[in-house]
Amino acid sequence: ETGVTQTPRHLVMGMTNKKSLKCEQHLGHNAMYWYKQSAKKPLELMFVYSLEERVENNSVPSRFSPECPNSSHLFLHLHTLQPEDSALYLCASSQDPTRGGYGYTFGSGTRLTVV
Amino acid sequence: QQPVQSPQAVILREGEDAVINCSSSKALYSVHWYRQKHGEAPVFLMILLKGGEQKGHEKISASFNEKKQQSSLYLTASQLSYSGTYFCGTAAPLRNDYKLSFGAGTTVTVRA
Repeated sequence: ETGVTQTPRHLVMGMTNKKSLKCEQHLGHNAMYWYKQSAKKPLELMFVYSLEERVENNSVPSRFSPECPNSSHLFLHLHTLQPEDSALYLCASSQDPTRGGYGYTFGSGTRLTVV
Repeated sequence: QQPVQSPQAVILREGEDAVINCSSSKALYSVHWYRQKHGEAPVFLMILLKGGEQKGHEKISASFNEKKQQSSLYLTASQLSYSGTYFCGTAAPLRNDYKLSFGAGTTVTVRA
């Protein structure tokens, strides 16, 4: 248990499906992030929420839609995905978004396969 | 822009040492180091906040050369538990938060 919980751990979805990934943290952190991890590639930052406000949308296609209803929960809504979207999606949180001196706590990720 | 890590992979025997390098073409405000084991979440190891700083975590230590925009991670007297993929992350300010960009990772395999 890392303090950041992601569900589901594995997800297989068709290209026409709609699904959501969930992330939850009770560490009292004020910032939450979505990262995409593909084989042989660096972690790619997708979205940043700081104090529940989205501060970064890193040129992510609109078929990915984030939602942050409060500082403890983060969702990633998925619809009409492509096979190249198959990857490990990692959620992370950090303590103080206004300072760069704190490490990130990652969840174990959701392994997404688009068929 | 993402930092560049080297080497891509390293194989060690228990007790051997290794160095992983992380460099950036942009000014580094801070450097993070993480380790990820297969099927698990990346785990935070340490953060270096200013040039010249060195830190340690067990027998894993790191240095940060702000002028050269580089950081190095040192694995000393490696143990089997050190196996995994090591990522450096470089932070740049983004409005009220710091955006972390990661390198591609260095896969470390420690063998008995």
